[in-house]
Amino acid sequence: ETGVTQSPTHLIKTRGQQVTLRCSSQSGHNTVSWYQQALGQGPQFIFQYYREEENGRGNFPPRFSGLQFPNYSSELNVNALELDDSALYLCASSLGPEAANVLTFGAGSRLTVL
Amino acid sequence: EDQVTQSPEALRLQEGESSSLNCSYTVSGLRGLFWYRQDPGKGPEFLFTLYSAGEEKEKERLKATLTKKESFLHITAPKPEDSATYLCAVQSGGYQKVTFGTGTKLQVIP
Repeated sequence: ETGVTQSPTHLIKTRGQQVTLRCSSQSGHNTVSWYQQALGQGPQFIFQYYREEENGRGNFPPRFSGLQFPNYSSELNVNALELDDSALYLCASSLGPEAANVLTFGAGSRLTVL
Repeated sequence: EDQVTQSPEALRLQEGESSSLNCSYTVSGLRGLFWYRQDPGKGPEFLFTLYSAGEEKEKERLKATLTKKESFLHITAPKPEDSATYLCAVQSGGYQKVTFGTGTKLQVIP
């Protein structure tokens, strides 16, 4: 059974640039959620994707957007990067939105914005 | 808005010294309270789900309990490999959003 994989593991961008982060869900999981974890903080919910559509969103601006593909993998896109976007971005998959209580997380993508 | 507060922020224990971590929460309609463990450089790893007051779950040296306002994670005779950040989270209303606390960083010294 393959777990959740994320890429890239680390990246550095400059303010104003755009970034795309990728996530492959665990085998059998059809729902993907994205979280932002700043240093020393708990993860904050960005949004969830189910059946290739956004299925809920946290308090993040529209420059944070995502996609889910037919194979359930997902992308997180962030436009017009700001310094405060520096964080660990975590992808989590689950069996479905109704079963979203058990999240299987990937190791994350560490984004640094200079 | 759901809120989760964890205490202490950091805890240093000698190997074998039992203790408890606290998670206080405010939600409108709790669907579940969760404990996760996070090691440095890794994503959180699921430990427990608790659904209603009075419920208890155990796994090796860990035991989680739930009341209407808080949850405790009891660690009995901890070992150095238990060192990690322990995150508490709640889910209410809409299924899609899980709200995390800031975590308790546990260090167990041999």
